[in-house]
Amino acid sequence: EVQLVESGGGLVKPGGSLRLSCAASGFTFNSYSMNWVRQAPGKGLEWVSSINSGSNYKYYADSVKGRFTISRDSAENSLFLQMNSLRAEDTAVYYCAREGIAGAGPHYYFDYWGQGTLVTVSS
Amino acid sequence: ETVLTQSPGTLSLSPGERATLSCRASQSVSSSYLAWYQQKPGQAPRLLIYGASSRATGIPDRFSGSGSGTNFTLTISRLEPEDFAVYYCQQYGSSPRTFGHGTKVEIK
Repeated sequence: EVQLVESGGGLVKPGGSLRLSCAASGFTFNSYSMNWVRQAPGKGLEWVSSINSGSNYKYYADSVKGRFTISRDSAENSLFLQMNSLRAEDTAVYYCAREGIAGAGPHYYFDYWGQGTLVTVSS
Repeated sequence: ETVLTQSPGTLSLSPGERATLSCRASQSVSSSYLAWYQQKPGQAPRLLIYGASSRATGIPDRFSGSGSGTNFTLTISRLEPEDFAVYYCQQYGSSPRTFGHGTKVEIK
């Protein structure tokens, strides 16, 4: 069974930093591109960042470019999101999501999602 | 970026009725790269449809997707109690991948 479990969310002040983690199990992690998607309270979904299986291609939404960094550790079957210079508008539930096609770049749909971790940016 | 407009914003229906949800794109979605997700309160989204009309693993056949170009539709043939939720469309034909704002299907 595919499982994605996020952690690392919490309350942080504007300008602060946070590192999110996503532990993956139940599939061959090395074969899939991975993504972060967020959802502000009461709002819709927003793609945030993607990384391919080899970590040589990384993509970011304009809203987070230069502030967030995506990475992965194949030995630990884990995905990460380092978030710096956080703003109030970054407040959201952050979901880890698997790319829908094995062996492909991060350009498709999301077939499995974690339960999310809440990030609140407030003074 | 491709903007997706979903309509209606809210659909009030009774169990057993047919639901028709619309997703319109601001520009043509290449290769019908359009997906639909269901989200219930407090839960993560669940993939229903990809490639505009292919059902994801384990999705009941009462869910169907259609359309091409800029106009796409999700149809739920007969609503079950567990189908009342918010539905999002997402395009992956161009970068960045974008979502619509959602249609809430509520019990009438």
